[in-house]
Amino acid sequence: AQKITQTQPGMFVQEKEAVTLDCTYDTSDQSYGLFWYKQPSSGEMIFLIYQGSYDEQNATEGRYSLNFQKARKSANLVISASQLGDSAMYFCAMRYNNNDMRFGAGTRLTVKP
Amino acid sequence: DAMVIQNPRYQVTQFGKPVTLSCSQTLNHNVMYWYQQKSSQAPKLLFHYYDKDFNNEADTPDNFQSRRPNTSFCFLDIRSPGLGDAAMYLCATSRGVSREKLFFGSGTQLSVL
Repeated sequence: AQKITQTQPGMFVQEKEAVTLDCTYDTSDQSYGLFWYKQPSSGEMIFLIYQGSYDEQNATEGRYSLNFQKARKSANLVISASQLGDSAMYFCAMRYNNNDMRFGAGTRLTVKP
Repeated sequence: DAMVIQNPRYQVTQFGKPVTLSCSQTLNHNVMYWYQQKSSQAPKLLFHYYDKDFNNEADTPDNFQSRRPNTSFCFLDIRSPGLGDAAMYLCATSRGVSREKLFFGSGTQLSVL
């Protein structure tokens, strides 16, 4: 069965510091996509970054990077130079060949000034 | 320039009174999804349409139905809402390729009195 695990219900980080949000997954598929979404208190889901299972290099998007370790089935999100506006829920998600996208339980990040 | 539009933003209904949530898209995407998200939880996939093909999740209650009359519109019908159906309902779209990200609407917050 496909499963996404985020083990950190909540995380705190000091403004301007980097933070890593953990995500592990379980699948027998060879082809899949890994995504991170941010959900502020307003409720909208904002796409942050994508990593394909066959991509050899770790994805980066501005201050976001994805530490992809395929053998360990982990896809951790690294946010550099945290800003107050980064405070939100962060969801790791996996997309399968049948078009489903399933989400982990989420991590609530709080950036402290 | 909203691309996935959900109306209304807030919906209040009475216990047992049918309610319909609507979603429209300007992206011409093949796939449309409905997710249910309860407070501080991950979005849970209810069903999705690939074009006109309906795909229901095994654990989606029969109380939830969906219609997609054309490419642009998709509706979520809750036939007899219970108190446990109070949640945020998120509509999302994608082009249908497994590695494509989902585009989300702002959601409809449903309250059941």
